[in-house]
Amino acid sequence: QSILTQPPSVSAAPGQKVTISCSGTRSNIGSYYVSWYQQFPGKPPRLVIFDNYYRPSGIPDRFSASKSGTSATLDISGLQTGDEADYFCGTWDNGLRDGVFGGGTKLTVL
Amino acid sequence: EVQLVQSGAEVKKPGDSLKISCKTSGYYFNKNWIGWVRQTPGKGLEWMGNIYPGDFDTMYSPSFQGRISVSVDKSTATVFLQWGSLRPSDTGVYYCARRSGSGGKSWSFDNWGRGTPVYVSS
Repeated sequence: QSILTQPPSVSAAPGQKVTISCSGTRSNIGSYYVSWYQQFPGKPPRLVIFDNYYRPSGIPDRFSASKSGTSATLDISGLQTGDEADYFCGTWDNGLRDGVFGGGTKLTVL
Repeated sequence: EVQLVQSGAEVKKPGDSLKISCKTSGYYFNKNWIGWVRQTPGKGLEWMGNIYPGDFDTMYSPSFQGRISVSVDKSTATVFLQWGSLRPSDTGVYYCARRSGSGGKSWSFDNWGRGTPVYVSS
């Protein structure tokens, strides 16, 4: 059971927009910045969002994110088949004194 | 270009010791924390611990504290993850990753190694 809660899977058609949620508590998302990672099978995670909503260089602006209270969301618009991957959220938990991740969400582009 | 190059896959028996490595390049080694993250099918991503090469400061997840040790060799800009006695439950893929940002409320890893698979079985 992961500390941060994500839906196991989401799906949408090419060109559509999808939202992936990440739910936590005051001691993690409520107090620290959230990061998001994209992972293809057999590859390492890749940072797509840091500090709640900033995109690293090279990440297209189709990827956006926000945070409100103890929840965060990752939006991917103009979906492409190449976006099919697992997506993880992560942050620090000051109560646990531990880095925490969500269980991951598998995105299927139908 | 920032690069983190990890050592190869390992097959070990329960009770064995192990030290895996992560050689970095392309940035000023002393200025970023380096972390280790485990991935298993059952538990997803798990942060294990970080080290700050500048002053050797370390921090460990309570889940791994006492079972692992993270160290650095500044002369080769390499970070190590070490176990004294492996268990079958240590089976997984281990990633090293550079922590980005200036600390504070920021918690993200902007560059990752390709992973070191570790398999522990009798």
